[in-house]
Amino acid sequence: DSGVTQTPKHLITATGQRVTLRCSPRSGDLSVYWYQQSLDQGLQFLIQYYNGEERAKGNILERFSAQQFPDLHSELNLSSLELGDSALYFCASSVQGGSYEQYFGPGTRLTVT
Amino acid sequence: AQSVTQPDIHITVSEGASLELRCNYSYGATPYLFWYVQSPGQGLQLLLKYFSGDTLVQGIKGFEAEFKRSQSSFNLRKPSVHWSDAAEYFCAVGAREYGNKLVFGAGTILRVKS
Repeated sequence: DSGVTQTPKHLITATGQRVTLRCSPRSGDLSVYWYQQSLDQGLQFLIQYYNGEERAKGNILERFSAQQFPDLHSELNLSSLELGDSALYFCASSVQGGSYEQYFGPGTRLTVT
Repeated sequence: AQSVTQPDIHITVSEGASLELRCNYSYGATPYLFWYVQSPGQGLQLLLKYFSGDTLVQGIKGFEAEFKRSQSSFNLRKPSVHWSDAAEYFCAVGAREYGNKLVFGAGTILRVKS
């Protein structure tokens, strides 16, 4: 158990819908990262927050957004969902914003039908 | 551009045999290097990491990895594989100069024959 929690574990929704994925980092970790894992793209970095502020952006679609709250939990919002958005979404956390080791949560499996 | 190559998509070894999983990276900066393991339906567990110093690093579950700057490689090894090691293994690279993201290889699926 990494200490990073993610909810829900599974999510099934229809195209065009909007969902919110939630992540709680390990105690003491200020930095949260979101990754998408799909069969065709592999593991891709989406976005990073550090202590409430956006720190880095990767291959994140404009339909996707994220935020980190004062209690350091983070939410990833996915809207206007398409079939291709079906994937595993991982949250990871690290102590600081640098390239220290990141600890991953169990992931949220999103299925868009 | 930063990239990580894991040339072997699948590897099958017999239980008790040694294992080496290959990882090569292309980075314009001094990298931080990681190996993660993912069991089916699970998240990624950190096996080991290299930041600096001794180029041979020890990790959990009896794994080790060696950083070879001249070959841009960070291969993962285990002297004797157990059936419970069957999983997918990911090499990942990060660097301060490229922000804080990790760039992952495509993964190597390890099968263990009994």
